[in-house]
Amino acid sequence: NAGVTQTPKFQVLKTGQSMTLQCAQDMNHEYMSWYRQDPGMGLRLIHYSVGAGITDQGEVPNGYNVSRSTTEDFPLRLLSAAPSQTSVYFCASRLKRGWNTEAFFGQGTRLTVV
Amino acid sequence: AQSVAQPEDQVNVAEGNPLTVKCTYSVSGNPYLFWYVQYPNRGLQFLLKYITGDNLVKGSYGFEAEFNKSQTSFHLKKPSALVSDSALYFCAVRDPDRDDKIIFGKGTRLHILP
Repeated sequence: NAGVTQTPKFQVLKTGQSMTLQCAQDMNHEYMSWYRQDPGMGLRLIHYSVGAGITDQGEVPNGYNVSRSTTEDFPLRLLSAAPSQTSVYFCASRLKRGWNTEAFFGQGTRLTVV
Repeated sequence: AQSVAQPEDQVNVAEGNPLTVKCTYSVSGNPYLFWYVQYPNRGLQFLLKYITGDNLVKGSYGFEAEFNKSQTSFHLKKPSALVSDSALYFCAVRDPDRDDKIIFGKGTRLHILP
């Protein structure tokens, strides 16, 4: 089983550039989310989705957009990259709302904005 | 909103000694609690989760967690530490009665000394 797949693994952007971080899961999970991990800050929730066509903001949504057109895919878009968005990004998925199910994580995307 | 706190940035334990990594939480309803581990340059791996009614939960790699409702704590424990347990550990909480997001603590780095 592939689980949660993130691409790319590494990326360097120039300030002002845009890009999309891809996330796909093959477990038919309804719930998907994006986190960023920064030293001393733990994981902070950026955006999440409880199903296709439904998205909502997390703790740190500014500068990021998401969409959920299919159950499998949940891309994260950086509209105009800033150095403050240098971070490691993790995508996670789990079974549906209300069930005591654990989240499964991708391997992460390390993004550097120069 | 729910929150989770890990009061120790780092914990050092000698190999073979018992270890404890602390976590306290705040939710409005019944908590869904989780522990994850992160090895260098990897994603998060699920260790264990709280199951309603079980004050001592057993998980992967010999870890267990003790739930204490009156102290709103969910401490991670292991009777005998291994050097290979050295990693970053995250506690997480989900409040299914509210917005169902999973919120993570800032993480505790565990060093097992040979």
